[in-house]
Amino acid sequence: AQKVTQAQTEISVVEKEDVTLDCVYETRDTTYYLFWYKQPPSGELVFLIRRNSFDEQNEISGRYSWNFQKSTSSFNFTITASQVVDSAVYFCALSFMDSNYQLIWGAGTKLIIKP
Amino acid sequence: DTEVTQTPKHLVMGMTNKKSLKCEQHMGHRAMYWYKQKAKKPPELMFVYSYEKLSINESVPSRFSPECPNSSLLNLHLHALQPEDSALYLCASRASGGQFSYNEQFFGPGTRLTVL
Repeated sequence: AQKVTQAQTEISVVEKEDVTLDCVYETRDTTYYLFWYKQPPSGELVFLIRRNSFDEQNEISGRYSWNFQKSTSSFNFTITASQVVDSAVYFCALSFMDSNYQLIWGAGTKLIIKP
Repeated sequence: DTEVTQTPKHLVMGMTNKKSLKCEQHMGHRAMYWYKQKAKKPPELMFVYSYEKLSINESVPSRFSPECPNSSLLNLHLHALQPEDSALYLCASRASGGQFSYNEQFFGPGTRLTVL
């Protein structure tokens, strides 16, 4: 079975706190792609990152960082020094070349940053 | 320019109306997608066009009719919709390529559709 689990339905933190959004995936394929998208209240889905299964290097982009661990099938997303503008729903997704890169979505985590 | 545009932003229609949603991208992407998203849910795939040909139809009712006039444009024609079809409709595009190409999807801002 191919599946993405985002167990955290909603997270609420105070501004400037660090927060980690969890993503666990299931697949037996050896080649796959993982993504994070941000969906603010306006509705547009914003692409944040793609990680290929053969590249376990972690990535940092400003206040955002991603930790990809194949051993635990996890692709977690950390926001450092959170800001109110980070409030959004965040989706983790999985895709495969064989299925024309259709996205298998997690349920999403709603992140609320309080001022 | 990683931009996908969608018009209109909002649409209210009656169950007997015919309307169309439009999506446009100028990134040279050859795969384009329509999604439907209900509140508090992830997007649901409706249709995929690859090189202007319909490659995936996720058992969508015939009251939704997609069209890809050229590589930059994607339309979704709506007819005799039901109130339960009210949702956010998202368009996305992706650069087609091999295993090592960029395969992320870029989304438009969506059309919020209300069916009365």
